[in-house]
Amino acid sequence: AQKVTQAQTEISVVEKEDVTLDCVYETRDTTYYLFWYKQPPSGELVFLIRRNSFDEQNEISGRYSWNFQKSTSSFNFTITASQVVDSAVYFCALSEELSGGGADGLTFGKGTHLIIQP
Amino acid sequence: GAVVSQHPSRVICKSGTSVKIECRSLDFQATTMFWYRQFPKQSLMLMATSNEGSKATYEQGVEKDKFLINHASLTLSTLTVTSAHPEDSSFYICSASPPPRTQYFGPGTRLTVL
Repeated sequence: AQKVTQAQTEISVVEKEDVTLDCVYETRDTTYYLFWYKQPPSGELVFLIRRNSFDEQNEISGRYSWNFQKSTSSFNFTITASQVVDSAVYFCALSEELSGGGADGLTFGKGTHLIIQP
Repeated sequence: GAVVSQHPSRVICKSGTSVKIECRSLDFQATTMFWYRQFPKQSLMLMATSNEGSKATYEQGVEKDKFLINHASLTLSTLTVTSAHPEDSSFYICSASPPPRTQYFGPGTRLTVL
């Protein structure tokens, strides 16, 4: 069975600080996909990144960066120079490859509520 | 990214009535769509996988007779909450996945059952 753990329930930092959101996953599959989504107060989920299990390259997109470490089953997310607009709940999620090659539903972590104070 | 719409965005109904929620993929075809439920301050839980032209696959603990899913075309899936009760009040979100595997989510439907 698959599982995603986001141990940080809530993080509060002052604007311009760097912050890292942790994500640890469990799966028996060798092929799987990891995601990060942002959920602002409006409720809509915003896609941030997808990473497949064969690609361990870290990625940077503006102030966002992701560190994928298969050895520790972690997929951490760092926001550099945080801004008030970054305040939201962030979810890490996992999906496995179906035997027929189709997409599987996502297993979400419990989410981390990030508060950026001005 | 791909666009997924949901309708209605908010619905309030009396206990015992049925409510239909629509999920549409606007700029791509989706043979598979997913339905999730999110209670306040909690995570999203997968309810079922909607398959175009065939029966939906429900997750353990989700009553298929209560949550009817129909995926009649490659761009539309519907979720009907039958005989709704207050405990069904929740935020229902659908997603669809164009290649390659990224799931894009609709804006969600907030259901309140009185």
